[in-house]
Amino acid sequence: NAGVTQTPKFQVLKTGQSMTLQCAQDMNHNSMYWYRQDPGMGLRLIYYSASEGTTDKGEVPNGYNVSRLNKREFSLRLESAAPSQTSVYFCASSTGQFRAETQYFGPGTRLLVL
Amino acid sequence: GQQLNQSPQSMFIQEGEDVSMNCTSSSIFNTWLWYKQDPGEGPVLLIALYKAGELTSNGRLTAQFGITRKDSFLNISASIPSDVGIYFCAGQMDSNYQLIWGAGTKLIIKP
Repeated sequence: NAGVTQTPKFQVLKTGQSMTLQCAQDMNHNSMYWYRQDPGMGLRLIYYSASEGTTDKGEVPNGYNVSRLNKREFSLRLESAAPSQTSVYFCASSTGQFRAETQYFGPGTRLLVL
Repeated sequence: GQQLNQSPQSMFIQEGEDVSMNCTSSSIFNTWLWYKQDPGEGPVLLIALYKAGELTSNGRLTAQFGITRKDSFLNISASIPSDVGIYFCAGQMDSNYQLIWGAGTKLIIKP
């Protein structure tokens, strides 16, 4: 039982390049989330998926797209990376009962955009 | 967007000391959560609070949901080296189930 896994762990991109961050959970959770974490700031929600087949914007969605591939997998795509997207990205999942129940986090992807 | 004010930003303490931190908001929350993040890891839930006035413990950690529903407090008693890390508060409002996060309190234990 791995919980929430994320790939890659580290990535360096040049401005304008694209990439997809992968996330998978094996807890049969309905809801999944993508956050970014910047120094001195809390986590900010980029996108979330309340259930398979649905996605919604969070607080900072600009420059990102997501795909809920199936119940297990939720990917985050940067179409044209910018230095402002240098951050640590966390994926999380929860049972999804529309209550602030426990969100389980992955180990993060550290992204540097040059 | 909505923000939580978490203080202090960092704490330097001696092993064995008690620690207190808090989060405040101008908005009312119906849930408060406290997470801890170790270096290179994702946050892990410590305590969840669902009712105004609620006081909940998890070992040496105790958290309280403020009566006004606009604040929450976390105390750690008799700190040990493994308490080092960043502690985050997060709140949920009635309007939706997204979490609003504080900026974190970094706990450093002086040798």
